[in-house]
Amino acid sequence: QVQLVQSGAEVKKPGASVKVSCKASGYTFTSYGISWVRQAPGQGLEWMGWISAYNGNTNYAQKLQGRVTMTTDTSTSTAYMELRSLRSDDTAVYYCARDLSGLLPDYWGQGTLVTVSS
Amino acid sequence: QSALTQPASVSGSPGQSITISCTGTSSDVGSYNLVSWYQQHPGKAPKLMIYEVSKRPSGVSNRFSGSKSGNTASLTISGLQAEDEADYYCCSYAGSIVVFGGGTKLTVL
Repeated sequence: QVQLVQSGAEVKKPGASVKVSCKASGYTFTSYGISWVRQAPGQGLEWMGWISAYNGNTNYAQKLQGRVTMTTDTSTSTAYMELRSLRSDDTAVYYCARDLSGLLPDYWGQGTLVTVSS
Repeated sequence: QSALTQPASVSGSPGQSITISCTGTSSDVGSYNLVSWYQQHPGKAPKLMIYEVSKRPSGVSNRFSGSKSGNTASLTISGLQAEDEADYYCCSYAGSIVVFGGGTKLTVL
């Protein structure tokens, strides 16, 4: 069965960086991409971007351009999302999701809470 | 790109049917048959319920159905059950990006 297992919760200070991992299993990793979606406390879902696990092509949300980097390690079927220059409004649960072409996240990870606080 | 517009809340009694609307623009919902719906229970990850406007993934109850007219997509849940109480989010492709609705809280009375 398809599973996406994410890394544990993080607490960071403003200005720092965070890197969240997402280990995939149950499917051919390079046949799909990974979307990243975040959800601030009590708020809705926000699409952050997508990466192809086949060739590493990325597509980022405009508001995060320059602060976010998505990568994959095909040897371990793991995707990573790094967010830099953290602010308090980056506090959220970050989800990875399998996504064939950046059009449809289908299976989701359990989420990783990132708290940004001084 | 603005979020898609959903009602903040809807409610219904067990056995009834409810419909949640999702209004976008001609740049997203109106241009692509790539609308999906997600169910999210408190503290849990979203679950895909409908994709490509009206298709159900394997394992999703046929009580869930989707449709679209113009710039507005809709999710209908028939035969409401207690376990349907959750937040529901619509999502649309918008030409190289993806946009979500603000979410609708469904209360089963």
